[in-house]
Order: sequence, then C-alpha cells, then structure tokens
Amino acid sequence: DTEVTQTPKHLVMGMTNKKSLKCEQHMGHRAMYWYKQKAKKPPELMFVYSYEKLSINESVPSRFSPECPNSSLLNLHLHALQPEDSALYLCASSQDLGGFDQPQHFGDGTRLSIL
Amino acid sequence: ILNVEQSPQSLHVQEGDSTNFTCSFPSSNFYALHWYRWETAKSPEALFVMTLNGDEKKKGRISATLNTKEGYSYLYIKGSQPEDSATYLCAYGSSNTGKLIFGQGTTLQVKP
Repeated sequence: DTEVTQTPKHLVMGMTNKKSLKCEQHMGHRAMYWYKQKAKKPPELMFVYSYEKLSINESVPSRFSPECPNSSLLNLHLHALQPEDSALYLCASSQDLGGFDQPQHFGDGTRLSIL
Repeated sequence: ILNVEQSPQSLHVQEGDSTNFTCSFPSSNFYALHWYRWETAKSPEALFVMTLNGDEKKKGRISATLNTKEGYSYLYIKGSQPEDSATYLCAYGSSNTGKLIFGQGTTLQVKP
C-alpha cells in the first residue's frame, strides 16, 4: 500500500473544464512535489512545496495551479488544459527539502486525458 | 542542460540470470543519486539513495554502486525473479538546482 494517496486515479476532461487533483500523505513529510510523466519519458518536476510554501515552479503554464492547504495535502487545480497536457501526474513527498539524501515517496498517480 | 542517461532502455532475461544496468549523470555539483523501482500500475518505490563516491548499497538480491568522479552508477540484480520485472529509474540530485532529474529508466522483463 502506498503511503501517498492520489485521487482520482483517472480523469477525463474537456479543454474548458475545471478540475483538481488531490494528494495526501500522513508521514509528517514537509516537502511535497508534483511531477508530470509522458509515455516513455522520465518524470519531470513541475512544482515543489516546502513547509507549505511554493519553493520551485518549473515554469509551468498558469493553467496548472498548485495549492498546499496544510502539511498533509497538496492539490493541483486544472483549468483550460490542452490535449498535450494528457499525461500521468505523480505526487511525491520527502522528509524535507534540505537535501537529496532522503528518498521521495510517490503516489500511484492520476492518469489525465484531455479531450 | 543536465542529462541523466540510462542503459539499456529495455532488457529481457530468464529467471535466475543476473543482470546490471547503468545510470550516467553529470559529475559536477553532485549531491545524491537515487534508484527507484516502478512496477506497472503501482507507484515508484525507492530502492537506494547514495551520496558518497564509492558507496555500495544492498537490498536483498539488488545492489548498487556509485562513482561520482566519472558520473555513473550501476544497479545489479542477482538471480532475477519474475517479480523483479519493472522499470528501474535513477535520479540525480545536484547541489545547484534543488531538484531531482530522472533518467528514462531501464525496463526489465524476467521470463519464468
């Protein structure tokens, strides 16, 4: 069982819809991440939150809007997406952002399809 | 542009075979090297995090080595089993980017 829970597992939406992806962890981790993964490509970092504050935005288009309401929750709000945004969206957490000597714990991902 | 390369892209072995894959990464500004196993329809699972040149880590039949001076890491699986079938991802953390950069992965298929 994964310790990072993502919902929904699958999402199909039109280009004019607004939806949200949710991620939850109860390991007391203070760093949380959103990655995007296209088929046959490596996961690409989108956003990093550290202690509930956005610390890294990898020049992600504004149609993706992250939110960290508390230390256990991470949301990704989606609006006016494009077909090329269809991908697997992975959430991960780690103890903190201080270094890379801690592993990241991943959720199962949300498979997003844009019609 | 920081590049993390993994080879081979895919590998098919028989049960009982031992195998190894390579992860190449920039040798400058090295901070850590991660290995993850990603089974189909599951989440990536951390195998190892290595930070020191010459590090060797072991978990059951799986082990990894690290050479930060030349920028490579090897992952070894001894006596492969069908349950080892997965994509193995490495990720490089540099001290000046604040993020992990993942390789494309090596997909291993172990036939019974």
